[in-house]
Amino acid sequence: GNSVTQMEGPVTLSEEAFLTINCTYTATGYPSLFWYVQYPGEGLQLLLKATKADDKGSNKGFEATYRKETTSFHLEKGSVQVSDSAVYFCALRGNSWGKLQFGAGTQVVVTP
Amino acid sequence: NAGVTQTPKFRILKIGQSMTLQCTQDMNHNYMYWYRQDPGMGLKLIYYSVGAGITDKGEVPNGYNVSRSTTEDFPLRLELAAPSQTSVYFCASRPTTSGDTYEQYFGPGTRLTVT
Repeated sequence: GNSVTQMEGPVTLSEEAFLTINCTYTATGYPSLFWYVQYPGEGLQLLLKATKADDKGSNKGFEATYRKETTSFHLEKGSVQVSDSAVYFCALRGNSWGKLQFGAGTQVVVTP
Repeated sequence: NAGVTQTPKFRILKIGQSMTLQCTQDMNHNYMYWYRQDPGMGLKLIYYSVGAGITDKGEVPNGYNVSRSTTEDFPLRLELAAPSQTSVYFCASRPTTSGDTYEQYFGPGTRLTVT
């Protein structure tokens, strides 16, 4: 079946540091890939998406590129802010009813 | 729009008690989902619904029941609470047609503890 593996947290960074969160997946066919973000006390929000190989999703300074050859969708941001402190989830959508398969989540803590 | 709302925010249950977690969305979305989030485990799909009157099991449906009598509401029922059901529960919805995004909109969650 489909699965998503992402790096464990917490990841602790200083403000303006570079952030990378690794995500790899196993799926049949050509899934769509997503990053969701969960700010403290809130539900998940879609951060960015990519629907086919070599697509780059971007939003709020975050980027991720759909790499089919390495089955990866790593999240990056060049200069993080304290407000980026959150839990980040990598997810894929298979072909059935739009259901999402989530990774375990990676907590990111950005300190001033 | 309020989006997806969930009640209660927190609840403590004793083993064997029952309760209903409420979920309402005001976006006229046909698809609705219930997830549980366990530490270090990501989100697991419990049940989902593709429209009023239609529900189906997800990955971890045992111990839960759902109903979907209206487009807006998708309550989750726990009949005999067990400690294994201690978790954070999220409700989500999405429109039938959402382009290639299939973006789901999440509620703020219900934190349930069973002791």
